[in-house]
Amino acid sequence: QTVVTQEPSFSVSPGGTVTLTCGLSSGSVFSSNYPSWYQQTPGQAPRILMYSTSSRSSGVPDRFSGSILGNKAALTITGAQADDESDYYCVLYMGSGKWVFGGGTKLTVL
Amino acid sequence: QPQLVESGGGVVQPGRSLRLSCAASGFTFTAYSIHWVRQAPGKGLEWVAHIGYDGDNKFYADSVKGRFTISRDNSRKTVSLQMNNLRTDDTAVYYCARRYDTSRGNWFDPWGQGTLVTVSS
Repeated sequence: QTVVTQEPSFSVSPGGTVTLTCGLSSGSVFSSNYPSWYQQTPGQAPRILMYSTSSRSSGVPDRFSGSILGNKAALTITGAQADDESDYYCVLYMGSGKWVFGGGTKLTVL
Repeated sequence: QPQLVESGGGVVQPGRSLRLSCAASGFTFTAYSIHWVRQAPGKGLEWVAHIGYDGDNKFYADSVKGRFTISRDNSRKTVSLQMNNLRTDDTAVYYCARRYDTSRGNWFDPWGQGTLVTVSS
């Protein structure tokens, strides 16, 4: 069973830069996994941030960027703001019509 | 504005069944696949199932395969998730989400507000 891995938690100072990653328990993440990233605040449904590795969804600030770093997908926040404090989830397409979410990263801005 | 609204959640005993519905509005329903994603209390997101735009293609996570059945009624713009033989670890908020496919890529948007399923004796 393939597991999608994310850092459980991360902390960043206001104005700082943080990179969250999304990997596979075995193997590398490729663009063909269509990595996408979602932001979720407590009590709310997830919100799309980034799709197809590096394409920002409409209305998402350009301080968010996506890439492939080594063998993982990555979400970088440059100039973090207080309202970026959220849970972040990546999801990968694993083929055969199946998708797998990562365990999520709880980002603290302080 | 595209919108999805889930309903049907509630409290159910282990081993029993429940049927969730996802009602769509504001977009061409027959052009999109719809997914169910769940989130156990205090836990992360888990992809559960999806159904293609025409209802012919259905896919399930291993954790629910054989117990859950996804279906859609394009005339009513609804997707259903029939959940049988429920277990306590099926307790979660269940979201439905549209998968938006374009030449630039694909993503889940919008999401419904979620419906809570609690499996408990």
